[in-house]
Amino acid sequence: DGGITQSPKYLFRKEGQNVTLSCEQNLNHDAMYWYRQDPGQGLRLIYYSQIVNDFQKGDIAEGYSVSREKKESFPLTVTSAQKNPTAFYLCASMDRDPREYEKLFFGSGTQLSVL
Amino acid sequence: RKEVEQDPGPFNVPEGATVAFNCTYSNSASQSFFWYRQDCRKEPKLLMSVYSSGNEDGRFTAQLNRASQYISLLIRDSKLSDSATYLCVVKTGANNLFFGTGTRLTVIP
Repeated sequence: DGGITQSPKYLFRKEGQNVTLSCEQNLNHDAMYWYRQDPGQGLRLIYYSQIVNDFQKGDIAEGYSVSREKKESFPLTVTSAQKNPTAFYLCASMDRDPREYEKLFFGSGTQLSVL
Repeated sequence: RKEVEQDPGPFNVPEGATVAFNCTYSNSASQSFFWYRQDCRKEPKLLMSVYSSGNEDGRFTAQLNRASQYISLLIRDSKLSDSATYLCVVKTGANNLFFGTGTRLTVIP
């Protein structure tokens, strides 16, 4: 079955540590996104990528980095520069097929907490 | 001013009731509109797109009012399984998707 897989489901970060959240999709979607969700708040865009080897900063990119070396994969690294990383992180992808255009498909999310 | 604003609720309604949520958006150039459903600590899932003429999917009806810049979601004959947070999403431009904070609905037996 096609879909988006995020791992791990739960992640703990020690102070000063970089951690990487995985996002893999087999939907053949070009566009991929990373969002952060805090309690009582909407989703905020961290980074997005329209195509392999290209990505753009979203609204809250500071303290995060991404790569897009393969169409299927869009990992997010939360660096030590991100001082408040505790949140629910969601990866999403979007199809360009006109029949499915603009529909976001989400992974099941990663809850990141600071030790 | 936020791009998208929603009443966070919570809305507590009895089973079988009709409930409506509104969502306002600030950019008149916004092109596409959606309602997503999110269960606690799960990923959002597309409930329905919102078309200019309004659209219905079973017990759910979505409306768009461009003049007043709001969209609405009406749920008829509420079920316990409708309990969730409903996110309003507005698309402006190629990659600008704006999410509301969500409206929490609890359907009570």
